[in-house]
Amino acid sequence: ILNVEQSPQSLHVQEGDSTNFTCSFPSSNFYALHWYRWETAKSPEALFVMTLNGDEKKKGRISATLNTKEGYSYLYIKGSQPEDSATYLCAFTNDYKLSFGAGTTVTVRA
Amino acid sequence: GAVVSQHPSRVICKSGTSVKIECRSLDFQATTMFWYRQFPKQSLMLMATSNEGSKATYEQGVEKDKFLINHASLTLSTLTVTSAHPEDSSFYICSARDRGATNSPLHFGNGTRLTVT
Repeated sequence: ILNVEQSPQSLHVQEGDSTNFTCSFPSSNFYALHWYRWETAKSPEALFVMTLNGDEKKKGRISATLNTKEGYSYLYIKGSQPEDSATYLCAFTNDYKLSFGAGTTVTVRA
Repeated sequence: GAVVSQHPSRVICKSGTSVKIECRSLDFQATTMFWYRQFPKQSLMLMATSNEGSKATYEQGVEKDKFLINHASLTLSTLTVTSAHPEDSSFYICSARDRGATNSPLHFGNGTRLTVT
């Protein structure tokens, strides 16, 4: 079992504000880092798959960075909207299996 | 986009009975599917990797005779919880890749909430 930690466990943000949270993972034998968004009563949806140190990916107002040498990734939400409310999961893989963090639950207040 | 359908979404069963959960890839072929379990406020824990046409690979601590996995076709994997007990009550969710590359994202079902009384 690979130790993947996400922080904070939950956060509240005012609509329009920006926020970010972290995922830390083992820095050895890195293959890929995944981010998923999981809305209530839906299935987790892939946001990003990142493989290279220094990778930065963007999807609309959401972006992510990756540091494989120190073993962390940040997810950023710019100008949060109520529809951004969800649990954000990161997952680390060093082969074909993914090890997930417990998630960061984001609640955007209107 | 790739869609994974999982049924049932919720099931309540009596202790000692067996429950089957189905996971289907609707618009792609999945040679490999993954079964996860999640307890409250914890992360998704991989139970087993389901391989089409061969035996599943179980993670350490997961009883293969308790959690039977069948992956008889490229679009269907089933998980059967045999002789269920209250401690098996949990959230079970399947996922699959629509391509063989290990850096392609997973596509998830909606999950199954199992309650054993």
